[in-house]
Formats: sequence, C-alpha cells, structure tokens
Amino acid sequence: QVQLQESGPGLVKPSETLSLTCTVSGGSINNYYWIWIRQPPGKGLEYIGYISYSGTTNYNPSLRSRVTISVDASKNQFSLILSSVTAADTALYYCARGIMMVRGGQHFDQWGQGTLVTVSS
Amino acid sequence: DIQMTQSPSSLSASVGDRVTLTCRASQTISRYLNWYQQKPGKGPKLLIYIASTLQSGVPSRFSGSGSGTDFTLTISSLQPEDFATYYCQQSYSTPYTFGQGTKLEIK
Repeated sequence: QVQLQESGPGLVKPSETLSLTCTVSGGSINNYYWIWIRQPPGKGLEYIGYISYSGTTNYNPSLRSRVTISVDASKNQFSLILSSVTAADTALYYCARGIMMVRGGQHFDQWGQGTLVTVSS
Repeated sequence: DIQMTQSPSSLSASVGDRVTLTCRASQTISRYLNWYQQKPGKGPKLLIYIASTLQSGVPSRFSGSGSGTDFTLTISSLQPEDFATYYCQQSYSTPYTFGQGTKLEIK
C-alpha cells in the first residue's frame, strides 16, 4: 500500500518562502500525478496544483505566480514551494496521488495525513 | 472557476439511516465528480470517482449518481464509522474545485 508523508517547517515568517516535501513509499512515483492541496483551519479544501510523472505542471491561477511544484524521482519525492507567504497561507497542507483517466477526469486516491503550516512573525 | 455547492452543510442522522448528500456544480461537468470522506486529523479518503465508480475497498453501502450539474452520494445504512465530513470535487477542468463539505453527525 502506497503511503505519502509531508514534511517541512511548521512555521514560516510573512514574506518568506514555504517549502514542503512529500515522500512516497510503498510504490513508484512514476506513471502518476502528484498533487498539493491545502485546507485553512476550519475551512474547505483548495487545489494548489499538480506535477505529472513526465514533469508537466498545472497550478491554480490564484496561486500560480507564487507556486512551484517539482519532482525528484530518484528520491521518490515531490515538493511544493510557495513564495511571499502571508497569514492567508496558513493551512494544513496535503500531498496526494492523482489518477488521470484516459477519457478525462482525475481523482486523488492516496493522501498524506497533512502538515500544518502557520505563517506568523 | 467551477463552483461546487454541497447541501446540507450539516446533517444529523442515526445508525442504520439512509442518507443522501447533494452536490451541485455551477456549470456542467459531465460525470467528472469525485466524493471524499474526511475524519478529524486525517487526510481525505476517496470514496467514489467519475460520479458513480466505487473506489476499491470502499463498502458497497456507499453509492454515487448524477451527471451534468447535479450529483448525489447515498449511504444506504449508516454505520458508526461513517460519521465524518464529506466533500465533492470536480475534475472536469482545472483548477479542480471542492464543495464546502457536509458534516454528518450522530443524532
């Protein structure tokens, strides 16, 4: 059973850069899509973006100017970088595995447990 | 962005009840609609994808239906472990968007 685990600093100062890594165990990072999603405290889920096994990226336009998602297949990891953070970026950040269907649509079948990132001075 | 609206926002029910949760899209999304269950302190769990396909390992008491803009998730007989928050998500177009969730509570 594949497992995903987020890691990174739990506290980031305003205007600085948030950096998280998701380690995939129990399966290969190849042939899937890798997703970042966040959930502000007490609120719903927000799609951040994905990277495909071939390196294609897709970002939420609301965050596109500040987001980079990358993959390191040699380490079975993928990463999220979010620059110029503000208090509005405080959230539980999840990584997930995406399955892109041949006829369209994508669903997220495996999720990490999430890591809380607080933006505060 | 496609807006997803779930109703009700919360629901009280008893073990053994049949419940139906609703999700509506702001525009047609064909059948590209997924359902997730989230329990406190855990990441969401995929239940249903492409509107009605049951994810492997998910109990058959869960079922999904709908197409276009209106979708439902039905739990045929509530079990104690089903009390959680449920989210719908459209994958018709990016940015993928989620509903605000329906919290299913024990009556």
